[in-house]
Amino acid sequence: QVQLVQSGAEVKKPGASVKVSCKTSGYTFTTYDINWVRQASGQGLEWMGWMHPNSGNTGCAQKFQGRVTMTRNASTSTAYMLLSSLRSEDSAVYYCVRPGPARGSFDSWGQGTLVTVST
Amino acid sequence: QSALTQPRSVSGSPGQSVTISCTGTTTDIGNYIYVSWYQQHPGRAPRLIIFDVSQRPSGVPDRFAGSQSGSSASLTISGLQADDEADYFCCSYAGSYTFVFGTGTKVTVL
Repeated sequence: QVQLVQSGAEVKKPGASVKVSCKTSGYTFTTYDINWVRQASGQGLEWMGWMHPNSGNTGCAQKFQGRVTMTRNASTSTAYMLLSSLRSEDSAVYYCVRPGPARGSFDSWGQGTLVTVST
Repeated sequence: QSALTQPRSVSGSPGQSVTISCTGTTTDIGNYIYVSWYQQHPGRAPRLIIFDVSQRPSGVPDRFAGSQSGSSASLTISGLQADDEADYFCCSYAGSYTFVFGTGTKVTVL
């Protein structure tokens, strides 16, 4: 079955960067986009961006432009999300998500990675 | 892109029906048929329960029904059960391969 397994929790200082990994299995990695969604504690879901593993093409929400970089290693079926210039408001659980065949049908989620930004 | 607007909470007794609204604009819900809904229990990742406005993935009971009218969408849960108590989020395609989520609604089973 489809599985997305993310890297462990991170604690970072303001201004630093964090890189979250998402190892996929159970399907052909290059066939589906990988999206990233985050959720601050007690808050709603926030869509961050997407990457197509085959082409490497990416896109993101306007508020993350210039701060988020999405990459992949097709040989290990792993996607990565790098968020730079961290601030306290970036403290959240970050999810990698694989959509189904229908647009916006995010049907497979990683377990989430808690990123804490604190002095 | 602003978050879609949902009521903060709704509640109902077991067996009753509840409806959650999701209000967007003509740049998201009002312009596309790609509305999805997610259920999230505490400490868990979200789970897709509706896609393409009203389609249910395999394994999702037909007690969950989605609809859309203009720039708003709705999720109705009928025959409310204790396990339906969770947070629910809508999501819409917003063009140029961007998406926007709703603010989230907590469903309480009384």
